[in-house]
Amino acid sequence: EAQVTQNPRYLITVTGKKLTVTCSQNMNHEYMSWYRQDPGLGLRQIYYSMNVEVTDKGDVPEGYKVSRKEKRNFPLILESPSPNQTSLYFCASKSGTSGAYTQYFGPGTRLTVL
Amino acid sequence: AQTVTQSQPEMSVQEAETVTLSCTYDTSENNYYLFWYKQPPSRQMILVIRQEAYKQQNATENRFSVNFQKAAKSFSLKISDSQLGDTAMYFCAFMKFFGNEKLTFGTGTRLTIIP
Repeated sequence: EAQVTQNPRYLITVTGKKLTVTCSQNMNHEYMSWYRQDPGLGLRQIYYSMNVEVTDKGDVPEGYKVSRKEKRNFPLILESPSPNQTSLYFCASKSGTSGAYTQYFGPGTRLTVL
Repeated sequence: AQTVTQSQPEMSVQEAETVTLSCTYDTSENNYYLFWYKQPPSRQMILVIRQEAYKQQNATENRFSVNFQKAAKSFSLKISDSQLGDTAMYFCAFMKFFGNEKLTFGTGTRLTIIP
């Protein structure tokens, strides 16, 4: 089954404790990205990757890091989380084939930073 | 930069009725996609319908259809014969044909179908 998986699904942590949210896709997609969803703001892009070892900032990258060492994985790293990073996070992937338009979303990760 | 505006934070409608959700956008691009995504209480993002900007014909998917007005930069979603399972948050989104594949989302409309 084609899917994007994220772990953990729920996480409560404290300010300053480094954490990683994993994202993996089994569709051999070139493009992957991270979004955060906040009430009244919709979803906003944090970082994206066009392929292995190619990453770039989205609209709200402050406080986040990413890496793309393998095509299937795109972890999101919060090195020193703060309460304003409490949010719902989505990973998405998409084929790089010309004309491909569908982005496949993971199930979301609810993060609370105390 | 692109912006997407959804001016209806919440809507409700009786089951089996028709409802229209509004979306406007701003862009200087000529080639792009527009989407409506559904987010039920499970939080999963589900693609409902898409429209390519170069196509004049409005997209339809079963009970879902859009009214795409390119000159007015308007992209509304019509849900016919609404069902309880349509209760969800609906997001309008924009994506350029070429670029970083970013989806630019509106702020969402929370739709409740009343039995």
